[in-house]
Amino acid sequence: RKEVEQDPGPFNVPEGATVAFNCTYSNSASQSFFWYRQDCRKEPKLLMSVYSSGNEDGRFTAQLNRASQYISLLIRDSKLSDSATYLCVVNVYGQNFVFGPGTRLSVLP
Amino acid sequence: EPEVTQTPSHQVTQMGQEVILRCVPISNHLYFYWYRQILGQKVEFLVSFYNNEISEKSEIFDDQFSVERPDGSNFTLKIRSTKLEDSAMYFCASSEDELAGWGTQYFGPGTRLTVL
Repeated sequence: RKEVEQDPGPFNVPEGATVAFNCTYSNSASQSFFWYRQDCRKEPKLLMSVYSSGNEDGRFTAQLNRASQYISLLIRDSKLSDSATYLCVVNVYGQNFVFGPGTRLSVLP
Repeated sequence: EPEVTQTPSHQVTQMGQEVILRCVPISNHLYFYWYRQILGQKVEFLVSFYNNEISEKSEIFDDQFSVERPDGSNFTLKIRSTKLEDSAMYFCASSEDELAGWGTQYFGPGTRLTVL
């Protein structure tokens, strides 16, 4: 079983749509969780950390379900500039980041 | 806003040659990392570095690879004898937290390595 799995994508949505990304992780000892976005041929950039209580940053909402080992990201009112690959990243204390394969999003005019 | 920088942006080399990829982490950060991303594939961890020594490495990071922090600012990745399959984007990252498991990592723009 892969360490971090994500929706295979791509997602093609119209501007203004709400889109949800799902991620599961296999290591129950994982302790920190992040969503990064990556534009084509660019570096990953932190979108948001994910906390147990869930957190929101503007149009973006992240949720964590430790029991199910599941993380989600919701984007509301999607913009053209949201087009990117969204990476789920999981970390066990004192160890390296493990990246998911990413889900590509294209927001269409 | 402070950022991680990497040089060169693109390196082309012949198979069997040595390459050194350079990174300048964010100045107050304590943990440093190298990752690679083969075109079309996921980001893969190579090595983490703390307090002037390797703290963790992946199975990709074999004897052909080494890292060094030669001075107070640079962090380098050396590949001794490059292979075709080393062609990838190499990202450097840094994190400020002593508790690396909690720290957010900030990535540099990457060096695209092409091995011919």
